[in-house]
Amino acid sequence: GAVVSQHPSRVICKSGTSVKIECRSLDFQATTMFWYRQFPKQSLMLMATSNEGSKATYEQGVEKDKFLINHASLTLSTLTVTSAHPEDSSFYICSARDRLAGGNEQFFGPGTRLTVL
Amino acid sequence: LAKTTQPISMDSYEGQEVNITCSHNNIATNDYITWYQQFPSQGPRFIIQGYKTKVTNEVASLFIPADRKSSTLSLPRVSLSDTAVYYCLVGDPNNAGNMLTFGGGTRLMVKP
Repeated sequence: GAVVSQHPSRVICKSGTSVKIECRSLDFQATTMFWYRQFPKQSLMLMATSNEGSKATYEQGVEKDKFLINHASLTLSTLTVTSAHPEDSSFYICSARDRLAGGNEQFFGPGTRLTVL
Repeated sequence: LAKTTQPISMDSYEGQEVNITCSHNNIATNDYITWYQQFPSQGPRFIIQGYKTKVTNEVASLFIPADRKSSTLSLPRVSLSDTAVYYCLVGDPNNAGNMLTFGGGTRLMVKP
């Protein structure tokens, strides 16, 4: 089955630093990847849609200059949290759709736990 | 986008059948219904998807009445490992911008 990986699985950083999270589709090509954020005991909230070779589309209320998304290839999208602050601490999850299989199913990565001190 | 409503939580015991209902009163003609399972600190996992009537796979069944304004995920003979949050999503799979809105989910607790 389709597998999506994320790296790192968890990261702890100091306030003011930037953190990059990678999302890879391991055995399929993903034209579109999605980035979600999930706070404890809450549901997933879509942050942005990442399209290969073009600019990401951000959801309302998500700062594009703070959450930089790059989708340079059909198997890799990165999310960079710039100048992270404690309120950015959250569980970040990416998902991808298999380009060849059509837009029917999202395959989710295992998530990245970000803790900003 | 169709909004979904699910019970916040449910309790069950090992070996029982669990039915989780999701309401989606304003579902559109092209919308499908998809259910995901999420364990703590993991990404959601696809369980089942359907459009109408009944769909069954190796882990669950999905019942959708004729008006499609609700759907029921049925988990046969649950075990402790089925303790998780279950999300119902509604959207058009052929629209890249659809099926991305997660509702509150249902927190299922399976007890021994």
